[in-house]
Amino acid sequence: AQSVAQPEDQVNVAEGNPLTVKCTYSVSGNPYLFWYVQYPNRGLQFLLKYITGDNLVKGSYGFEAEFNKSQTSFHLKKPSALVSDSALYFCAVRLYSSASKIIFGSGTRLSIRP
Amino acid sequence: NAGVTQTPKFRVLKTGQSMTLLCAQDMNHEYMYWYRQDPGMGLRLIHYSVGEGTTAKGEVPDGYNVSRLKKQNFLLGLESAAPSQTSVYFCASSSSGTSVETQYFGPGTRLLVL
Repeated sequence: AQSVAQPEDQVNVAEGNPLTVKCTYSVSGNPYLFWYVQYPNRGLQFLLKYITGDNLVKGSYGFEAEFNKSQTSFHLKKPSALVSDSALYFCAVRLYSSASKIIFGSGTRLSIRP
Repeated sequence: NAGVTQTPKFRVLKTGQSMTLLCAQDMNHEYMYWYRQDPGMGLRLIHYSVGEGTTAKGEVPDGYNVSRLKKQNFLLGLESAAPSQTSVYFCASSSSGTSVETQYFGPGTRLLVL
């Protein structure tokens, strides 16, 4: 069965330090992977996606994610965290060209302390 | 360009009452979606539409109905609300339903069923 796991409910990082938000997936086929961010009382906003090609994907607000097929992971990273990065982050996977086949992870709350 | 908007922002219902949530998009997108977000569960797809006049069931459709009479609007109805439907509801749209397509989300409707 297709699934996405975000093993950490919360990640705490000091401002200026690098951050990683983990995501692993389980699909039978080639995945299309997405990261979304949700700020308080707002809808989800698209950050970046992996479709094919270079395993390192760059997105909005200085975020990037690395696709690792052997480890079935798509971790979100940023070299230097900002307090404004504090939000809820969702990983998602789609497999086929089907509007219903998108699975979201449970979310990871990122907290950046000054 | 307002993107995706949702009405109302917040609503309290008593068990057994009915209501309709409205989603509107001004991006001329073909596909529209309704999700619910519950703590620790990410987003789950309720219903979706691949174009005007069409609707289809998602992952958790029971207790909900939808209609897409106009391309820009997607309505979610609760005929007889239950406490289990207390949640935050998000509408989203995309230009197509392919796996690579990014979804754009509305700000959400917080529903409390007493």
